[in-house]
Amino acid sequence: NAGVTQTPKFQVLKTGQSMTLQCAQDMNHEYMSWYRQDPGMGLRLIHYSVGAGITDQGEVPNGYNVSRSTTEDFPLRLLSAAPSQTSVYFCASSLSGGHTDTQYFGPGTRLTVL
Amino acid sequence: KQEVTQIPAALSVPEGENLVLNCSFTDSAIYNLQWFRQDPGKGLTSLLLIQSSQREQTSGRLNASLDKSSGRSTLYIAASQPGDSATYLCAVVYGGSQGNLIFGKGTKLSVKP
Repeated sequence: NAGVTQTPKFQVLKTGQSMTLQCAQDMNHEYMSWYRQDPGMGLRLIHYSVGAGITDQGEVPNGYNVSRSTTEDFPLRLLSAAPSQTSVYFCASSLSGGHTDTQYFGPGTRLTVL
Repeated sequence: KQEVTQIPAALSVPEGENLVLNCSFTDSAIYNLQWFRQDPGKGLTSLLLIQSSQREQTSGRLNASLDKSSGRSTLYIAASQPGDSATYLCAVVYGGSQGNLIFGKGTKLSVKP
């Protein structure tokens, strides 16, 4: 199993540009989520999904869109990038988001918005 | 609002020492608590998961304890090695959420040879 994969590893955008961060898992996990990690702020939840076709907002959803058309993929879209979205983005997955489920994280995407 | 705090923010110890990392949370209504390791520039690796009904979990030289009533967890690392140098993150899944993690800001551990 490849586990949780994320592309790209690094990305530089200009203010106002849009892009999609890709996340995929091959473990047949129902629960997937996106976090951002900022110095001094720790990791914060952006959006999550409990299965194909079902998504919901986390703590910091503004400026981001998600959809979940398949079990495997959970892309994160930046609609109009802002410097405040400069961060490291992590995708995670677990079997069902249940109480006994270990969460697996991808290697991250380091995004800089100029 | 659930908050997770980790103390100390950084810790430096000589190789071979036993050490304890601390994690506290404000709301005892949690489903589970997880300890993660993060190496510089890398993703998070799950070390241990303790369910709310459990008191501790062990994996090799690692032992994590949970005291829900006092809102505390500790991660004990025995016979530390330079390869243990990393940032250790504590996170809780709180009651009413669907697997959503609330993270502490981490303890950066440095083990000197």
